Amino acid sequence: DAGITQSPRYKITETGRQVTLMCHQTWSHSYMFWYRQDLGHGLRLIYYSAAADITDKGEVPDGYVVSRSKTENFPLTLESATRSQTSVYFCASSHGLNTGELFFGEGSRLTVL
Amino acid sequence: QKEVEQNSGPLSVPEGAIASLNCTYSDRGSQSFFWYRQYSGKSPELIMFIYSNGDKEDGRFTAQLNKASQYVSLLIRDSQPSDSATYLCAVIMGTASKLTFGTGTRLQVTL
Repeated sequence: DAGITQSPRYKITETGRQVTLMCHQTWSHSYMFWYRQDLGHGLRLIYYSAAADITDKGEVPDGYVVSRSKTENFPLTLESATRSQTSVYFCASSHGLNTGELFFGEGSRLTVL
Repeated sequence: QKEVEQNSGPLSVPEGAIASLNCTYSDRGSQSFFWYRQYSGKSPELIMFIYSNGDKEDGRFTAQLNKASQYVSLLIRDSQPSDSATYLCAVIMGTASKLTFGTGTRLQVTL
C-alpha cells in the first residue's frame, strides 16, 4: 500500500548506544521530515530533506544525524543516545516545504534508559 | 511568548454541542494556517486549512481566521465522541517560512 512507514515502532535502548529509526515513503514526495513529540513541547522539527542528498537542520537537530541517499528513504540516527532523546518520533512527507500538508508515519516510540 | 499557542485543555463538551478550539500566533506575517487532529497513540492528520480572513466550512468543521488579532479557531458542530482527540494548530510563520505547531488542545466529547 502507498504511504509512509516507520520502523521500529517501539525501541528501548541504553544511554550511549547508536539507534537508527527508519522511514520509507511510496508517494514520491520531494520533502521528508523528522519530528519529535514531547509533552509540553508539541511537535518539533529535527531535520528535513528537500530531495536526495539535500538535508537541513530544523529546530532541535543536536544529537541527530540524517541521510537521504534515495528519495523514498530518510533514516534518523541517534549517534549516542541520551535520556533526553526519549520521545515519540514522527516521520512525515509532503509535496513541498511550505504546503502545510504533511503526511505522517505511525511514529516510533523510543525509550533511552 | 510561544510562536503558536493553544490551551492544552482538556476541553470537555457534551455530545451534540459545539466545540471551539482556539489558537494564537506571534508572527503577524504568517499566511497559512492548519488544523491537525491526533488521536491518542496515533499520528497527526490534516483536517482543515485556511489562508484568508473569515470562515471556511467543511462538513461539521469550520475554521475561522482573524489576522488582525492573530487568532485562528476551529469549530466542531454536533460534536461526537469520535471527535475526542488532540487538535494541533499549525502555522507557516511568515518570517521563517516554516511550519510551526502548537502544543495541541485535548478535546473530550462526553455522552
